[in-house]
Amino acid sequence: DAGVIQSPRHEVTEMGQEVTLRCKPISGHNSLFWYRQTMMRGLELLIYFNNNVPIDDSGMPEDRFSAKMPNASFSTLKIQPSEPRDSAVYFCASSSSGLATGELFFGEGSRLTVL
Amino acid sequence: QKEVEQDPGPLSVPEGAIVSLNCTYSNSAFQYFMWYRQYSRKGPELLMYTYSSGNKEDGRFTAQVDKSSKYISLFIRDSQPSDSATYLCAMRGGTGGSYIPTFGRGTSLIVHP
Repeated sequence: DAGVIQSPRHEVTEMGQEVTLRCKPISGHNSLFWYRQTMMRGLELLIYFNNNVPIDDSGMPEDRFSAKMPNASFSTLKIQPSEPRDSAVYFCASSSSGLATGELFFGEGSRLTVL
Repeated sequence: QKEVEQDPGPLSVPEGAIVSLNCTYSNSAFQYFMWYRQYSRKGPELLMYTYSSGNKEDGRFTAQVDKSSKYISLFIRDSQPSDSATYLCAMRGGTGGSYIPTFGRGTSLIVHP
């Protein structure tokens, strides 16, 4: 079975450019999460969706960040304009409310470097 | 103070050693306790899952929860170089509480041959 698929795996861009990260969750999962991971702060929840609806975006750093989930099989995280402090690994994860463990299934991440 | 505290390490041990990884937390509403393992340049994967207090064993791994002390541990027996990874604790509330897990920063473990 295919897991959570993220693209691109690596992105190097210059300050001020727009960055779009993409995620395809596991089929049948109804929750989707965007996390950011850095050495200093660890894994931070940015936003999560339930049944394609954004439930909590309090972790989104500022207005430069936006996320969408137009359907159950696709989500994007956009940064515009990007800044060097946005450099991090961004993870998408999905889950199903039917799982007793509440396990999150993570993609392999998108490593973003903003110069 | 963060809700979940975890020493980032790194923790370096020789092959065959017993490893103890720990987290403390402040939110008494947490009911579910998890350990995720993250290999380099990969996403975290669920390793162990425990509900409420007590121990749970799975092969060489034992998860321990002490809710009275707000302290959880992961023990790895007979550690192997393949255990080298970052281990993140995670926890969440039960019924009526948030089902979104709160993660620790992760402890980097290096098992050298």
